[in-house]
Amino acid sequence: GAVVSQHPSRVICKSGTSVKIECRSLDFQATTMFWYRQFPKQSLMLMATSNEGSKATYEQGVEKDKFLINHASLTLSTLTVTSAHPEDSSFYICSASTSGVTDTQYFGPGTRLTVL
Amino acid sequence: SQKIEQNSEALNIQEGKTATLTCNYTNYSPAYLQWYRQDPGRGPVFLLLIRENEKEKRKERLKVTFDTTLKQSLFHITASQPADSATYLCALRYNFNKFYFGSGTKLNVKP
Repeated sequence: GAVVSQHPSRVICKSGTSVKIECRSLDFQATTMFWYRQFPKQSLMLMATSNEGSKATYEQGVEKDKFLINHASLTLSTLTVTSAHPEDSSFYICSASTSGVTDTQYFGPGTRLTVL
Repeated sequence: SQKIEQNSEALNIQEGKTATLTCNYTNYSPAYLQWYRQDPGRGPVFLLLIRENEKEKRKERLKVTFDTTLKQSLFHITASQPADSATYLCALRYNFNKFYFGSGTKLNVKP
């Protein structure tokens, strides 16, 4: 149980285009979803937290107009990188948690974004 | 700001030995602390959780300790196997839904 999927797993795009990444909880309802960014050999950096049906809460330094997050249902959240540039190239990982005592996060497999 | 430190150098051990990984933090103790395993190009996988009022937690070959006085958690893998080779991350949970991750320690278990 507690499986989270991400799509696509890899994407290569041209500078200036927008890219949408989907995060789905397959066998549970996720009241909260998180979006992280990870650079090589570095820690996961939380970008934003989203609750179903409400606006995402962005971490300091993360541009909300650049990284659009939509949490339309209890099983789906999307991250859209708008007008992508090479510096946006990174590994993007989502996680989902249920509203339980421990709030354990279940991570997706990640999406490797390369902006040319 | 909260700082989480994990040994950035890889830990190399022989198969069958016990691997011990360290997670140190500054400032406030978290409500609970989690350990994750991450393989290259993959998302982290949850392993163990330990609360601030717990000293030790075990799961099969895994053991986690939590010392709020030292502000440290230790993660042990006994009878290590080459398949245990991965990067291990600690994560601290503070206020509601706020998690902070360490940068991870890479473990190499040699046959």
